[in-house]
Amino acid sequence: GQQLNQSPQSMFIQEGEDVSMNCTSSSIFNTWLWYKQDPGEGPVLLIALYKAGELTSNGRLTAQFGITRKDSFLNISASIPSDVGIYFCAGQLSGSGNTGKLIFGQGTTLQVKP
Amino acid sequence: NAGVMQNPRHLVRRRGQEARLRCSPMKGHSHVYWYRQLPEEGLKFMVYLQKENIIDESGMPKERFSAEFPKEGPSILRIQQVVRGDSAAYFCASSPGLVRTGELFFGEGSRLTVL
Repeated sequence: GQQLNQSPQSMFIQEGEDVSMNCTSSSIFNTWLWYKQDPGEGPVLLIALYKAGELTSNGRLTAQFGITRKDSFLNISASIPSDVGIYFCAGQLSGSGNTGKLIFGQGTTLQVKP
Repeated sequence: NAGVMQNPRHLVRRRGQEARLRCSPMKGHSHVYWYRQLPEEGLKFMVYLQKENIIDESGMPKERFSAEFPKEGPSILRIQQVVRGDSAAYFCASSPGLVRTGELFFGEGSRLTVL
C-alpha cells in the first residue's frame, strides 16, 4: 500500500536551535499536512499545504509542498521546550476514488533540552 | 464548541472479550474517520463513515472489527473477541463534509489494552 517515509525518526536538540524534518513518498499527493501529537493526546493540525511548491508559515513553523508532489518538509525555528512531541506528516492521495483518508508517516520524535 | 469526544479514554479487556469505542463528532460534522495507532507508529486509516453509511472500510480488518454511525448517537467501533495484537490507541476524527483539504479534527483517542 501507499507509504510515507518520514525522517529523522527522532531528534534531540538544544533550546533555540532550528529543526528540520521531511517526508517522501513514491505516490503523488494532492494535499500534505503536518500534525503534532503530545503524549496521551490526539494529533493536532499544524500546517496544511494544497499546491505543489507552496510554502506556508505558521508562527515559527514553515512547511513546503514539494514540486513533484511526492515530498514535504517542516522547519521549526528557535525551538522551545513546548515544541517537544511527535510530529507526523500526512498526505491525501490524488486521483479518483479518494475518500479523504490520510496516509501518515511514522513520526519524528522531538526532544528539546532547555 | 466542543471538539471530537471519544470514550472511554482507557479500556482494559481480556482476550476473547468485546471492546466498544464511541466517538461523538464535532457539532455540525457528519463525517467520521477511525484510525489505529500502534506503539511507536503513525496512524493507520481504518474506516470512513457518514451518517448511516460506511463509505470506505478498506483499512478495517475483515474479521472481528465493525463500525457504525447511526442516524442518532455516536459512531461506534466494535472489536469482537479481542486479541493482544488489538492493543493500540484508536482515534476518531470528524469533518463537516467530504474532506478534500484533508483537515481532520481528531479526538484524544481511546487506548485499548488487551490482557
